[in-house]
Amino acid sequence: GQQVMQIPQYQHVQEGEDFTTYCNSSTTLSNIQWYKQRPGGHPVFLIQLVKSGEVKKQKRLTFQFGEAKKNSSLHITATQTTDVGTYFCAGRADYKLSFGAGTTVTVRA
Amino acid sequence: DTEVTQTPKHLVMGMTNKKSLKCEQHMGHRAMYWYKQKAKKPPELMFVYSYEKLSINESVPSRFSPECPNSSLLNLHLHALQPEDSALYLCATSPLHGEEQYFGPGTRLTVT
Repeated sequence: GQQVMQIPQYQHVQEGEDFTTYCNSSTTLSNIQWYKQRPGGHPVFLIQLVKSGEVKKQKRLTFQFGEAKKNSSLHITATQTTDVGTYFCAGRADYKLSFGAGTTVTVRA
Repeated sequence: DTEVTQTPKHLVMGMTNKKSLKCEQHMGHRAMYWYKQKAKKPPELMFVYSYEKLSINESVPSRFSPECPNSSLLNLHLHALQPEDSALYLCATSPLHGEEQYFGPGTRLTVT
């Protein structure tokens, strides 16, 4: 069945540094969505990528969808304490949305 | 209104109890979902309703019974649960099935 692998599982970042989390799918995706879940909270939709090679930016966050529509990345620049949480990618194929395991981000001030 | 609400926030129930979780949305979304989330894990899909009809059941045990009374409400009826069913139960909605999802705050369920 469809699987979405996400790495790294944990990311410990110094405030002000950049980091990237990656997702890879075993099958071609129709779209990929990204969510953020703060500690004790619920997942919050960030963005959806649909087109091959698509790049979208939200302030310090840059999202990419691979040319083959099998991988995606989220890059955060100048990390702030407000970036703490778990970032999930979720890939859609055949009306099934498969979540990656998530990258849990902690920030050292 | 851009919120998905869920009640109750917390629920403790015994293995012989019957309880229900409720979810409400007023965004006009036509797809609604139930997820189960264990600590440090991603949400795990349980059920999908599209236009108030059950379209996906991810082989969920019959002790979980979903219900969609109308386009704004989604219930999850619980009966004879096991301690391993303790988790955060999340409701989500999307404009149509397959589009971006908006999650409610969840119900934290403990089965004793």
